Amino acid sequence: RKEVEQDPGPFNVPEGATVAFNCTYSNSASQSFFWYRQDCRKEPKLLMSVYSSGNEDGRFTAQLNRASQYISLLIRDSKLSDSATYLCVVDRSGNTPLVFGKGTRLSVIA
Amino acid sequence: NAGVTQTPKFRVLKTGQSMTLLCAQDMNHEYMYWYRQDPGMGLRLIHYSVGEGTTAKGEVPDGYNVSRLKKQNFLLGLESAAPSQTSVYFCASRRGGGNQPQHFGDGTRLSIL
Repeated sequence: RKEVEQDPGPFNVPEGATVAFNCTYSNSASQSFFWYRQDCRKEPKLLMSVYSSGNEDGRFTAQLNRASQYISLLIRDSKLSDSATYLCVVDRSGNTPLVFGKGTRLSVIA
Repeated sequence: NAGVTQTPKFRVLKTGQSMTLLCAQDMNHEYMYWYRQDPGMGLRLIHYSVGEGTTAKGEVPDGYNVSRLKKQNFLLGLESAAPSQTSVYFCASRRGGGNQPQHFGDGTRLSIL
């Protein structure tokens, strides 16, 4: 099983739609979780950290389910500017590098 | 605050040439990383460093060397460039472990002919 798995997509949704991505991770000892956004030919940028109780930032909501070892990202009222690849990121332990998923591609269509 | 700065932004090399990519961060971060990303693929970790004077191999280290002589700088070297090393290279830094996120530079686009 891969350390971090994401549905590669693409998810093609109309403007204003709600879309959700899931990501599963294999290391039950993982403690830190993040969602990054990567635009075409650009560097990944932190979208939000994921906290145990779930957290919201405007139209974006992140959830963590430790029992099933998955995290989710919900985007409400999608905008054309949300079109990007969304990377799920999980830590291992100690000072080992974060593990990046391969990403889920989202296209928001007018 | 510049964050993570990569130099150069673009470079074209001939097979067999050598070059060094520079990554500089001004956030006093302990950890630094070098990744490569090929079209349609995810990030692959080349080498990383958890502190000044330390380096470690990542997922795809062959053909690359690194040095971290100063905390703020992480250098990636290609001793004898090969066409398979044509890629976009991203550097990143992180304050520490735990819930600290990584911050990326804007990439170096390297073509080897």
